[in-house]
Amino acid sequence: KQEVTQIPAALSVPEGENLVLNCSFTDSAIYNLQWFRQDPGKGLTSLLLIQSSQREQTSGRLNASLDKSSGRSTLYIAASQPGDSATYLCAVRPYAGGTSYGKLTFGQGTILTVHP
Amino acid sequence: SQTIHQWPATLVQPVGSPLSLECTVEGTSNPNLYWYRQAAGRGLQLLFYSVGIGQISSEVPQNLSASRPQDRQFILSSKKLLLSDSGFYLCAWSVVWGRTTEAFFGQGTRLTVV
Repeated sequence: KQEVTQIPAALSVPEGENLVLNCSFTDSAIYNLQWFRQDPGKGLTSLLLIQSSQREQTSGRLNASLDKSSGRSTLYIAASQPGDSATYLCAVRPYAGGTSYGKLTFGQGTILTVHP
Repeated sequence: SQTIHQWPATLVQPVGSPLSLECTVEGTSNPNLYWYRQAAGRGLQLLFYSVGIGQISSEVPQNLSASRPQDRQFILSSKKLLLSDSGFYLCAWSVVWGRTTEAFFGQGTRLTVV
């Protein structure tokens, strides 16, 4: 059974810092990995999607890497801003013979607070 | 562009009352649809998924049921709510495009059973 762990559980940093959020998964047979952002009381916003064959994806100040063999992904946020404060979730999608029903397994999330 | 609508945003229901949460997707056809629950202090748990009209798979035994009467409509129901059904319910959709598939989520429904 796939298990996804995110470290740290919570992180508080001053504005402007570069930071790294970690995600590890126990079964490396994944189709892809998705990073989400969740604001309090809101739904999930997709940030980055990394295919199992890819090493990294970038979007603006966000960079996500994937090391499938070691079961790890990191989300790098450059020059953090107060507006980045949210819960960040990683989720893995299983590889199932070339088809996938999108049954994501989520980590518990990292609660990020960026203070001015 | 694709959008997903989920309602209501918040709901307070007494124990033993029925439940109906609705989710609709626009801008895509034949999506895979999902219901997740996020309980306080816990991660997201997949409850149901559907790959087509009338096709529902349940991931965990529970007091809830799901239906898909139309291609882009997904409904979560209960005949009699329990206190343990309280939580944040999220509808999601995904579709295979090219050689990948990506999931997108609605804004969620906060359900409190009292």
